[in-house]
Amino acid sequence: QLQLQESGPRLVKPLQTLSLTCNVSDGSITNGRYHWSWIRQPAGKGLEYIGRVYMTGPTNYNPSLESRVTISLDTSRNQFSLELGSVSAADTAIYYCARVRAVTMIRGKSYYFDSWGQGTLVTVSS
Amino acid sequence: QTVVTQEPSFSVSPGETITLTCGLSSGSVSINSYASWYQQTPGQAPRTLIYNTNIRSSGVPDRFSGSILGNKAALTITGAQADDESDFYCVLQMAGGISVFGGGTRVTVL
Repeated sequence: QLQLQESGPRLVKPLQTLSLTCNVSDGSITNGRYHWSWIRQPAGKGLEYIGRVYMTGPTNYNPSLESRVTISLDTSRNQFSLELGSVSAADTAIYYCARVRAVTMIRGKSYYFDSWGQGTLVTVSS
Repeated sequence: QTVVTQEPSFSVSPGETITLTCGLSSGSVSINSYASWYQQTPGQAPRTLIYNTNIRSSGVPDRFSGSILGNKAALTITGAQADDESDFYCVLQMAGGISVFGGGTRVTVL
């Protein structure tokens, strides 16, 4: 069964770059049926979509974060990564990585999150 | 900017049926919104319940069902159980394939 595990620094200083990696086990990130995504959740608040990436490179980002976000794949390590620049306290959250199933429909494609990592808390503080 | 709306909270007695909804601050939800639903208990990662409006994810009990009701997506829990007490989030697909989460509904089983 697919396993997703987030890793990276738990504490990031303001204005620096938050970097996280999601290790994928028992599944390949080059499987063309799937995209790979990051979602976050501030303490006591709801979930927020950050973006997703596909094996051939196309990315899709939340417009509110797009100017600061990069999501990329490392096929040699079967991992994907998140970089969020110029962070502030508002970026303190639990960050989840997730697999996204893409289904071709009559009108376009449907995307949904079908597997989730356990999440990792990242705090932005000096 | 269009916001995805959900009821903030819902209370239900064991065995009752509840319907949570997922709408848009501007416009209507349709099958082409490809609604999906996720359940999250405190301290845990979300669990996928429903995708493409009404398809149950693997292992999800059939007392969870999805539909379109009027101009909203809906999640119905038939015969609520104590362990259904959790937060439920919907996701709608917007223009450009952007996924947008609703604010979530906290369900309390009394």
